[in-house]
Amino acid sequence: GAGVSQSPSNKVTEKGKDVELRCDPISGHTALYWYRQSLGQGLEFLIYFQGNSAPDKSGLPSDRFSAERTGGSVSTLTIQRTQQEDSAVYLCASSLTQISNTEAFFGQGTRLTVV
Amino acid sequence: QKEVEQNSGPLSVPEGAIASLNCTYSDRGSQSFFWYRQYSGKSPELIMSIYSNGDKEDGRFTAQLNKASQYVSLLIRDSQPSDSATYLCAVRGFGMRFGAGTRLTVKP
Repeated sequence: GAGVSQSPSNKVTEKGKDVELRCDPISGHTALYWYRQSLGQGLEFLIYFQGNSAPDKSGLPSDRFSAERTGGSVSTLTIQRTQQEDSAVYLCASSLTQISNTEAFFGQGTRLTVV
Repeated sequence: QKEVEQNSGPLSVPEGAIASLNCTYSDRGSQSFFWYRQYSGKSPELIMSIYSNGDKEDGRFTAQLNKASQYVSLLIRDSQPSDSATYLCAVRGFGMRFGAGTRLTVKP
């Protein structure tokens, strides 16, 4: 695609429900990154993929968070039993590779609100 | 110690002045360095990338990298009110990490 696409753009969910956030990277980009940004804060690293593998998932806040990537393309971030502190904007970015000098391009984010 | 640290803001400069943004990083193996700009409510967008020690200029923007000191900076010359945004330093080593950002306000 022309850019990184994230869906949904907004999600309101009840506390305790599970949510799935989707990221469709730029075609041909093998590296994919997930970040979380709370209001007025910086980008908190969650996980990155190189192809379908996740070499670094150290940023996932708890075992309620998981992510997968299939076919080296679309990635899904799943949050189980959502809590109010999970409310934030979840940003996805992709780059041509992780190891070369290429920039990462961001999607428009998913704004998650847990009520 | 945070992996990527930026000078605390907010930073306010008058229109036409030079704005100086600084960033240090902890991973000596880091290879690529980026400056992103984020307007309120929007996603980050790339301004500059730098991979080698020294300066890199692009229009009003100059990025400086010193790997020995693990230091990256961004200078914005002739600052404009439209430059008012949060500036994020990003470092690619193992994954890609961002600093907390520095909020810049350029006053007319």
